[in-house]
Amino acid sequence: ELKVEQNPLFLSMQEGKNYTIYCNYSTTSDRLYWYRQDPGKSLESLFVLLSNGAVKQEGRLMASLDTKARLSTLHITAAVHDLSATYFCAVHVDSNYQLIWGAGTKLIIKP
Amino acid sequence: DTGVSQDPRHKITKRGQNVTFRCDPISEHNRLYWYRQTLGQGPEFLTYFQNEAQLEKSRLLSDRFSAERPKGSFSTLEIQRTEQGDSAMYLCASSLVSRLRGANVLTFGAGSRLTVL
Repeated sequence: ELKVEQNPLFLSMQEGKNYTIYCNYSTTSDRLYWYRQDPGKSLESLFVLLSNGAVKQEGRLMASLDTKARLSTLHITAAVHDLSATYFCAVHVDSNYQLIWGAGTKLIIKP
Repeated sequence: DTGVSQDPRHKITKRGQNVTFRCDPISEHNRLYWYRQTLGQGPEFLTYFQNEAQLEKSRLLSDRFSAERPKGSFSTLEIQRTEQGDSAMYLCASSLVSRLRGANVLTFGAGSRLTVL
């Protein structure tokens, strides 16, 4: 059974600091997605990583994918309060493009 | 097209009642998904449609749950004889899947929150 594990599940940090969220998955895949969810809101697509070594950046967020290690990272640079949200990774592993989701990382950034 | 619409946004019902949720996907998308999300958890897959065909159902989808997508447009998710454990956010998402694209980026609706008393 495919498992997608995120860590940490909860992270509280100060503005201006850097941190990394990790997403490990248990089977071969070369498609990984990051989503953001604000409290009480729905999920918003952030990044799609489609190959080994893929790196995507948007503002203070940068995502990367290492398919050999079955690992994706979401790096936050010089965090700001507006980035407070829950971040989910999802992996698609079959020809039907079905997604398996991690449990999410709740990020709180204190001003 | 303003995105994925879900209705109602909130539903409070008594145990044993039936409820129905509606989802209007992005019109050019060929896939429609239903997920359930409880507090502090990621989305749990329930079912999905490719056009009008229901292609997969999760074991979470007991016989009290039924989903339809007539004519490959909007979809409904009905829960019969609701139980307190059904209380959750029900999320609908749509996507355009093709071999040329090689990815499946879901656009989610705002969700329908169900509270069963």
